Amino acid sequence: ETGVTQSPTHLIKTRGQQVTLRCSSQSGHNTVSWYQQALGQGPQFIFQYYREEENGRGNFPPRFSGLQFPNYSSELNVNALELDDSALYLCASSFQGEQYFGPGTRLTVT
Amino acid sequence: EDQVTQSPEALRLQEGESSSLNCSYTVSGLRGLFWYRQDPGKGPEFLFTLYSAGEEKEKERLKATLTKKESFLHITAPKPEDSATYLCAAGYGGATNKLIFGTGTLLAVQP
Repeated sequence: ETGVTQSPTHLIKTRGQQVTLRCSSQSGHNTVSWYQQALGQGPQFIFQYYREEENGRGNFPPRFSGLQFPNYSSELNVNALELDDSALYLCASSFQGEQYFGPGTRLTVT
Repeated sequence: EDQVTQSPEALRLQEGESSSLNCSYTVSGLRGLFWYRQDPGKGPEFLFTLYSAGEEKEKERLKATLTKKESFLHITAPKPEDSATYLCAAGYGGATNKLIFGTGTLLAVQP
């Protein structure tokens, strides 16, 4: 049991809509990273938050945005959803390097 | 360009038949090589971190090793419950680490 939780488990949205995914970090972890995993692929780094500040971003457009709260929980927001945004979205919390993943949110865009 | 490559893409073993999975990497400023196990529809489960060439770590039937360009995950006498996708990731970007993942090796162990 890693202690990282994500909600919701599954989500179905229509193209053009907006979505918010949530993540609760493992106790004591001050860093949260978000990844997108398409079917049959490895996870791809979206961005990372460290002590409430964005601390690095992968090759994703600005319509992917995030927040980290004082309790180190985090949100991933995606605007103007596209069909290619359908994927498993993973968050990982860490303290000094080793990242522990949550179970993911499966997003389907129709 | 930083990248991580895993081979083979898929591997089928008989129970008890030992083998190795390969992970090659080209990453500037490597800050750790990570191995994860992922079951279908679930998040990756942390297995090992290796920080320097020559380092080895073991957990039950798994042993991970690291060289300057590659990492290997050795599976000794596997059981059906070892069936999963094994992901390798290279860490970069400072102490907080960002991860570059390979596409994984899908392991099936038949009884």
